[in-house]
Amino acid sequence: QQQVKQSPQSLIVQKGGISIINCAYENTAFDYFPWYQQFPGKGPALLIAIRPDVSEKKEGRFTISFNKSAKQFSLHIMDSQPGDSATYFCAARDAGNMLTFGGGTRLMVKP
Amino acid sequence: DADVTQTPRNRITKTGKRIMLECSQTKGHDRMYWYRQDPGLGLRLIYYSFDVKDINKGEISDGYSVSRQAQAKFSLSLESAIPNQTALYFCATSDWTGGTGELFFGEGSRLTVL
Repeated sequence: QQQVKQSPQSLIVQKGGISIINCAYENTAFDYFPWYQQFPGKGPALLIAIRPDVSEKKEGRFTISFNKSAKQFSLHIMDSQPGDSATYFCAARDAGNMLTFGGGTRLMVKP
Repeated sequence: DADVTQTPRNRITKTGKRIMLECSQTKGHDRMYWYRQDPGLGLRLIYYSFDVKDINKGEISDGYSVSRQAQAKFSLSLESAIPNQTALYFCATSDWTGGTGELFFGEGSRLTVL
């Protein structure tokens, strides 16, 4: 049973469009929510992260929206570029400082 | 050179063979992890170690074992490989000194069990 559910599993977006990836969690003890980005042939790397005491965090074209009451958070990529094509993982950290990952979303941005 | 190095990067083996995947790191982190990546299932934790004398099972430890030879080295073994262990394996490290516990991953070891 996945504690962090991620959707969609794959996403195709035109260049310049908005990419949206959603995650939902069940454990209310999760206290930190990072997103990792993975390019083909590479390991995942931290992209952006949010704590549950804020509703939004923006870094350049990447924004996390967080809805604590709904236990959902999402990644928005504005003005998506072909170089953003990668697999994205949401994650949640528990009280033991361990991360639980979502199932991943493979994003393809078409030129 | 990469901060987290995994060897081998690719391996094809047969059912029943013993396989070892090795990981070394130069980040000086105490915490090391082994994850398995499968399409649609994300990254699942196999084993983790918070220091040389500490080894813990993760979500999917059955069929795997680990050894923490030194602070910088953490190896994963499959004593008798089976086809459903075909996957992409990642080693990761983290430093828990009051920060966020960001994970730093190696580039992965792709294992195929025939």
